[in-house]
Amino acid sequence: DTGVSQNPRHKITKRGQNVTFRCDPISEHNRLYWYRQTLGQGPEFLTYFQNEAQLEKSRLLSDRFSAERPKGSFSTLEIQRTEQGDSAMYLCASSLPQTDTQYFGPGTRLTVL
Amino acid sequence: QKEVEQNSGPLSVPEGAIASLNCTYSDRGSQSFFWYRQYSGKSPELIMSIYSNGDKEDGRFTAQLNKASQYVSLLIRDSQPSDSATYLCAVKGSTGGFKTIFGAGTRLFVKA
Repeated sequence: DTGVSQNPRHKITKRGQNVTFRCDPISEHNRLYWYRQTLGQGPEFLTYFQNEAQLEKSRLLSDRFSAERPKGSFSTLEIQRTEQGDSAMYLCASSLPQTDTQYFGPGTRLTVL
Repeated sequence: QKEVEQNSGPLSVPEGAIASLNCTYSDRGSQSFFWYRQYSGKSPELIMSIYSNGDKEDGRFTAQLNKASQYVSLLIRDSQPSDSATYLCAVKGSTGGFKTIFGAGTRLFVKA
C-alpha cells in the first residue's frame, strides 16, 4: 500500500494522559500536514512540515500539542495532558513538492474519557 | 464571517439528476481551490482542484471558479447513490503560508 498511513487508528485515553500518533506519508511527498476534525466540521489545520522543518503552526494549537518530523519522513503528533475537548479525528495528509494537492491518511480517532 | 462557507445541507437529489454544490470564500487573494469527498467514518479524498477562473471537467464532475465573486462550485452529473457523501470545499490562502482552510461540508443524498 503506497498511501498515507496513520497509527493507531483508534485511541481511548483518560483525561490527563499523554498520547502520541504517527503518520507515514507517501514516500516521495516532502510536504506533511496535520488536521483535526470533529463531527459535522471540516478538517481544521494544525501544522505543516516541509521535509523536517515545521513551517506553520495554527494559533489554535495550544502548548499541549507538539509535532515532529525528525528525518523528513514520518511525523508524530503528541498531545500532553489530554482534555475531553481533544476528542476528535486526527488526520494526516501529504503532498508532492510544489503542489497543494493533499492526500489524506485514514486518521486516528481519539476519545478522551 | 467564516473563511470558507458551504451550505450544510442535506442536499437530496434523485438518481440521474445533477447535484450542484456551492462554496464561498473570504480571502480574495486565494489561488488554489479543492473539492474533497468524505464518506461517513472515512477520510477526505480529492475529487478536483481548480486554479483559474472558468470550468474544469473530469468525468461526471465539473468544478467552476469565479474569483471576482469569490465563489467555487461543484456539479455532479448523472448522480449515483454511491455519490452520497459529504463534499468539502477547501481553499489555500494567499498569504504565502501553507494553511488550507476547509468548509464544514455539504451532505449530499442521492435517492435511488
